[in-house]
Amino acid sequence: ETGVTQTPRHLVMGMTNKKSLKCEQHLGHNAMYWYKQSAKKPLELMFVYSLEERVENNSVPSRFSPECPNSSHLFLHLHTLQPEDSALYLCASSQMAGTGNTGELFFGEGSRLTVL
Amino acid sequence: AQSVTQLDSQVPVFEEAPVELRCNYSSSVSVYLFWYVQYPNQGLQLLLKYLSGSTLVKGINGFEAEFNKSQTSFHLRKPSVHISDTAEYFCAVSRPDSSYKLIFGSGTRLLVRP
Repeated sequence: ETGVTQTPRHLVMGMTNKKSLKCEQHLGHNAMYWYKQSAKKPLELMFVYSLEERVENNSVPSRFSPECPNSSHLFLHLHTLQPEDSALYLCASSQMAGTGNTGELFFGEGSRLTVL
Repeated sequence: AQSVTQLDSQVPVFEEAPVELRCNYSSSVSVYLFWYVQYPNQGLQLLLKYLSGSTLVKGINGFEAEFNKSQTSFHLRKPSVHISDTAEYFCAVSRPDSSYKLIFGSGTRLLVRP
């Protein structure tokens, strides 16, 4: 069962490239998230979209640009990245608004990004 | 502000031994509590959750956790671990008055040795 699907699973890019990470959720949720996971560091929440509106942006550099065209899809557009941006990028979804909300997140498998 | 503390960054244990991974949280209001597991090069998968009711919660793969309100703890336990339990384990908490945003601990790496 692949409730949250992320593509690509692995991405290598140079500092001048432009690429995008894609996330799709099949769970009927109304909120989607991007997290960054670097070695030896805690999970970092980057962006939150609720009902396709960005509700949180945790001081993320502008070289990361999120896009949420509908409640099932989330993108992270990448341009002029730095080597320190190399990390595992995790997408998650949840039922944020309405009844039954507990905060539980459903994660994708992640996209492993390497910036050369 | 609430926080989640996982006291041990790494826990080595021999196969078939019991294990306890510790989690403490700080909050003056009631919370929901979660444990997630992350296998190498994968995303996070829910192990178990406490929302209400019985303080002993059973999850997948033989894990269980006990909610202790007086000690603000939610320790994860397994009576006999397998090599395949080697992974990173994250404790997380959410609160109704903060839009249920999950706050994660820093993680504990469980290393099971033969």
